[in-house]
Amino acid sequence: QSALTQPASVSGSPGQSITISCTGTSSDVGDYNYVSWYQQHPGKAPKLMIYDVTSRPSGVSNRFSGSKSGNTASLTISGLQAEDEADYYCSSYTSSTNVVFGGGTKLTVL
Amino acid sequence: EVQLVQSGAEVKKPGESLKISCKGSGYRFTSYWIGWVRQMPGKGLEWMGIIYPGDSATRYSPSFQGQVTISADKSITTAYLQWSSLKASDTAMYYCARGRGRDGYVGDYWGQGILVTVSS
Repeated sequence: QSALTQPASVSGSPGQSITISCTGTSSDVGDYNYVSWYQQHPGKAPKLMIYDVTSRPSGVSNRFSGSKSGNTASLTISGLQAEDEADYYCSSYTSSTNVVFGGGTKLTVL
Repeated sequence: EVQLVQSGAEVKKPGESLKISCKGSGYRFTSYWIGWVRQMPGKGLEWMGIIYPGDSATRYSPSFQGQVTISADKSITTAYLQWSSLKASDTAMYYCARGRGRDGYVGDYWGQGILVTVSS
């Protein structure tokens, strides 16, 4: 099972919006509405930001939103803030291996 | 409050065995999956496998099948990840996460991580 494909890095200025893509296949992202997104700050454990493509856990800012089209899921962060600078990982359910992660995207807030 | 508390950092030699733990509290331990995730130094997250403590159902990523063993003791609400013979390439941070949703695919609460260093 290959990892999902994410851009290595994205950047944006405070207040702007950015989108991180996550491309899989018809066996994972394209076949299930079971995509989640995690934020990881340096030296910290990952934190769940989005699950089931579009749902936000309690306590996560509504500046974070998720979507999916075909085999590609996306995480959008609006109103960028300095504290959003982190690594972001997508993951998808897949019937073959249960879970597959993306390679991760480093978000830089300029 | 849901908490996953992992055991402390480990330094081992190649060929040694190791069992690390993840203790859950603040929720019904037998009703949620517990998954394990590897993060090698400077690299991304890799899903290793998962266990459902309620019935001990276990699934492994093909990359880790046969390399590690995942288990759980529901009497003490603790999940384990173990190796019978460590390699230098096992050096990494290991996280446990509570899994929910379809076959536990969503990690909604995470442990603090355990750094395992394997070096001669």
